[in-house]
Amino acid sequence: DGGITQSPKYLFRKEGQNVTLSCEQNLNHDAMYWYRQDPGQGLRLIYYSQIVNDFQKGDIAEGYSVSREKKESFPLTVTSAQKNPTAFYLCASSMTQDQETQYFGPGTRLLVL
Amino acid sequence: SQKIEQNSEALNIQEGKTATLTCNYTNYSPAYLQWYRQDPGRGPVFLLLIRENEKEKRKERLKVTFDTTLKQSLFHITASQPADSATYLCALHETGANNLFFGTGTRLTVIP
Repeated sequence: DGGITQSPKYLFRKEGQNVTLSCEQNLNHDAMYWYRQDPGQGLRLIYYSQIVNDFQKGDIAEGYSVSREKKESFPLTVTSAQKNPTAFYLCASSMTQDQETQYFGPGTRLLVL
Repeated sequence: SQKIEQNSEALNIQEGKTATLTCNYTNYSPAYLQWYRQDPGRGPVFLLLIRENEKEKRKERLKVTFDTTLKQSLFHITASQPADSATYLCALHETGANNLFFGTGTRLTVIP
């Protein structure tokens, strides 16, 4: 899993609750990404950030929010507006936006109570 | 519509044989294509990258081919071992795009 950590490994959300997934990297990478993985589907991009204090929506950003206040940190908040949040969430980083290889964290599995 | 299809959800082969996984794409113009390995409950790990102007890439027992006319990449694992059992994902980067597009993956099981 390289130098990317995600916490917690498992997270439970109650109805109407916002939850935040942590992603930290010590690779000195500029670009960071959040993906969602569901059974039978490929990884889908939620948000990405090319540089500190800047981020863009991916294909499925509705119901999610992010921040990038520090280069090494890119937390993802799953808001109550996300009606189907149960999934495996993966954070990744790359040296730059154009650098091809992405390094993934171990993932967080989010379950709804 | 744009699609990335991997040949099958699951592939079982006997130890020692060559595993061949397929990735087909529609309505993309990839600058390069990558293959990742993912173990259950873990994040994907990068294996190989092949560019649009390359026909073949090798790394130890792994080989990737890329045919932009057929819009297809093949991923081969020779002399397969039970430890090769995992899900393999193909991902492509389209010229001018900001991210990778992933296929759904093929779950490979190597039977001892």
